[in-house]
Amino acid sequence: GQSLEQPSEVTAVEGAIVQINCTYQTSGFYGLSWYQQHDGGAPTFLSYNALDGLEETGRFSSFLSRSDSYGYLLLQELQMKDSASYFCAVRGGATNKLIFGTGTLLAVQP
Amino acid sequence: DAGVIQSPRHEVTEMGQEVTLRCKPISGHDYLFWYRQTMMRGLELLIYFNNNVPIDDSGMPEDRFSAKMPNASFSTLKIQPSEPRDSAVYFCASTLAGGRLNEQFFGPGTRLTVL
Repeated sequence: GQSLEQPSEVTAVEGAIVQINCTYQTSGFYGLSWYQQHDGGAPTFLSYNALDGLEETGRFSSFLSRSDSYGYLLLQELQMKDSASYFCAVRGGATNKLIFGTGTLLAVQP
Repeated sequence: DAGVIQSPRHEVTEMGQEVTLRCKPISGHDYLFWYRQTMMRGLELLIYFNNNVPIDDSGMPEDRFSAKMPNASFSTLKIQPSEPRDSAVYFCASTLAGGRLNEQFFGPGTRLTVL
C-alpha cells in the first residue's frame, strides 16, 4: 500500500523560512507533489519532484530524496497569504492516481 | 481557458434523497478524478476516468455511489440514497497523461450537507 506522513501543524512568523517534511511508503514511485489549499478553497498544485534534488519556483522550493523516501517543501519570505494547508501527494505503484497526505496547517503570524 | 467547473457549489438535502454532482473538466484533459474531503478522512480518491472510461473505482464507499462520464466534457457523481455521513466537500480534478499526472487541476468543489 501507500502512506504518507507529514506534521499536522506548523507556525512561523512573517518573513521567516519554514520547512514542511513528508515521508512516504510506496511500492514503485512516480513522483512526489505538493499542493496548497486555503480554507474553503480547492487544492492548488505547487510543485513536483520525480528525481532527487531541489526544485525552485519563486519563494517555494521542493526537495526529494528517493533513497530516504523523504521530501520537503520550503517556503521562504513567508507572507500572511501563505497561511493554508499543504499536502504532499505520491504517485506510486502501477497506478495513475495520487495518494494525498493528511496535510500540514501552516499559520503565519505577524 | 476556464478551469474545472463544478455544480452545484453547495447542496443541502435530506437523508434518503438522490444527489447528483456535476463536473466539466478542462478541455483537452484526458484524466478526470473525483475526490471527497472531510476533516476525519482527509482527501480521498473515489474514482478516476481515462478517456471517459472508469479505470479505478476502488475508493467508492459503497453501492450508493455511482459515477459516469458520458463524454470528454462532462461527468457526474451520484449518491442514492444519501446519508448524513456523506456530508463532505466533493472535488473534481482533471489532468493530462504522462508526467503531468502529478499536476492535477481541481474544481472549486461541491459542499454537500445531508440532514
